[in-house]
Amino acid sequence: QQPVQSPQAVILREGEDAVINCSSSKALYSVHWYRQKHGEAPVFLMILLKGGEQKGHDKISASFNEKKQQSSLYLTASQLSYSGTYFCGTENSYDYKLSFGAGTTVTVRA
Amino acid sequence: GAGVSQSPRYKVAKRGQDVALRCDPISGHVSLFWYQQALGQGPEFLTYFQNEAQLDKSGLPSDRFFAERPEGSVSTLKIQRTQQEDSAVYLCASSLDRGGNSPLHFGNGTRLTVT
Repeated sequence: QQPVQSPQAVILREGEDAVINCSSSKALYSVHWYRQKHGEAPVFLMILLKGGEQKGHDKISASFNEKKQQSSLYLTASQLSYSGTYFCGTENSYDYKLSFGAGTTVTVRA
Repeated sequence: GAGVSQSPRYKVAKRGQDVALRCDPISGHVSLFWYQQALGQGPEFLTYFQNEAQLDKSGLPSDRFFAERPEGSVSTLKIQRTQQEDSAVYLCASSLDRGGNSPLHFGNGTRLTVT
């Protein structure tokens, strides 16, 4: 079951913040976040395994609300290097299989 | 250390031809996944191996698709009698442990174009 991501796209100026949401219709066991630049492989950002857990990676952080079956990715004080397409991958049961959302394209402009 | 390596990087096939896509995972990684990514979409699960065992092939679109990992390292995804709808980027990913607990390390993919 594919998670739903929103928004589809966002345009930011350097230094601005953004939030990307990922929601599932089924209970979540884990949520992964990846960033993919054009023509390249998706690159791992972080995993969230517990409800309510927040993780950080430089100025990129994420939260996981197990009860709401949602995760959010927070881009703080965005940099040009943050541009790319962000995917959440969700695991709905203890079965190792990640289902990915359609992605959120982030464009950061100077 | 080397990452996940996929070859070829690009493949053009005429409709009806068979193709074989290769994936070299990171050494020691137990889990190996194949995903299909259409333009502008997220990766879609095809199949999963734990060592040499194919534990899930529920995402393979048809019986024209076949994957193997005979010695628990290199994997090959084979597509027989290719069709235009098979055109996509095929991504391979490996992880140290089962997918939920460990990051997936993706290769750069093979872009397949069926003409």
